[in-house]
Formats: sequence, C-alpha cells, structure tokens
Amino acid sequence: ELKVEQNPLFLSMQEGKNYTIYCNYSTTSDRLYWYRQDPGKSLESLFVLLSNGAVKQEGRLMASLDTKARLSTLHITAAVHDLSATYFCAVEVFGGSQGNLIFGKGTKLSVKP
Amino acid sequence: KAGVTQTPRYLIKTRGQQVTLSCSPISGHRSVSWYQQTPGQGLQFLFEYFSETQRNKGNFPGRFSGRQFSNSRSEMNVSTLELGDSALYLCASSLRTAWNTEAFFGQGTRLTVV
Repeated sequence: ELKVEQNPLFLSMQEGKNYTIYCNYSTTSDRLYWYRQDPGKSLESLFVLLSNGAVKQEGRLMASLDTKARLSTLHITAAVHDLSATYFCAVEVFGGSQGNLIFGKGTKLSVKP
Repeated sequence: KAGVTQTPRYLIKTRGQQVTLSCSPISGHRSVSWYQQTPGQGLQFLFEYFSETQRNKGNFPGRFSGRQFSNSRSEMNVSTLELGDSALYLCASSLRTAWNTEAFFGQGTRLTVV
C-alpha cells in the first residue's frame, strides 16, 4: 500500500515563530498538493507542486518538493493566528484502489499569541 | 465561476436506512471523486467517475455505490447505514487531463448515523 506520512501531526506554535511540516511518501510521483482545512469545512487548495525542485510561496507559507527524496515541506514563516488549521499533503498517483490522491493524516496547527 | 456544490450539507439518518448524496462539479470538469473523512481513518478514497464511467474504486463494502450523469453531476449512495458510516463525505472535481489534474473540493456532506 502506498503511504504518505506527515509530521508532526500536531503543532502548537507561538505567533511570530517559524516551523516546517514534513511530508514523506513511499511511491514515485511528480505531483504533490497541499491543502488547508478549517474545522468542519472543506479542503482548500494551497499549493500545486508539479516537478522536482518546485517551490511555491503564498504569504507566510512556502512549499517545496524533492521528488528524489520523496519529500515535500511546508514552511511557515512568522506564524499568525489566522494560520491555525489542519494542513494535508496529497500525492498524486494514477489509478488503483487508493484513488488518484493519497493523503497524509494531516498536521493540526495551532498558533497561539 | 461556481465551485463544487454538494447537497445536502447535513444529514441525520438511522441505522439501516439508506442515503443519497449529490455532487455538482465545476463546469467543464468531467472527473468526480468521492472521499470519506473520519477522525480515525483520515481521508479515504471511495470512487472516481469520469464521463459517466467508474474509473477507480476504493476498499469500501458494496453498500457504497455511486454514479455519474451525462452532465457530470454525481451521486453516491450508502445502503443499510451503520454507525461507522458517520463521516464527512467530500467530493472533488477535476479536469483530469494529462496536464491538469488538480482537484477542487466541495463543502462536504456531514452524515450522522444514529
């Protein structure tokens, strides 16, 4: 079974601090997605990473992809309370009983003043 | 443009009943995938439909079924509901071409089985 592992699963940060969420996966893939989910809400697309070495930035979040290491990172810079949410990475594969997107278990981020 | 629309947003059903959930994809998207999200199991793939054909199916019992219509709208049905079917059901639509496979998710249907 293909696996996507995120760590940490829970992250409590102070405002203004930096931190990185890691996403490791067990299969070859050139496409990886990061989503944000607020409690009781749907998944909001944050980043689409389509090739090795891809780096995308939006505000205080920056995502990168290393397909050779099968690793993606989501870096948070100078965290603010509004970033509190659960973040999922999802690896794209083609076909199979796990579907086209295999999700990590999510990282629940809590940013405290 | 309008996003992915799921109806209803909330449902409460009794064990043994059946339920039908609906998903209208983004205009022009022919792929619709369904996921079940629970605190314990996370996001699990149910099935994908593309142009009215089921492409993939996850490891769920036969009580879970789906279909897609010619306008790309999709429905999923769960028969003989069990308490463990309580979950947030999300659908995602995608163009699913070779160069564009990004999935966009609906708001979800929160199903509670009592």
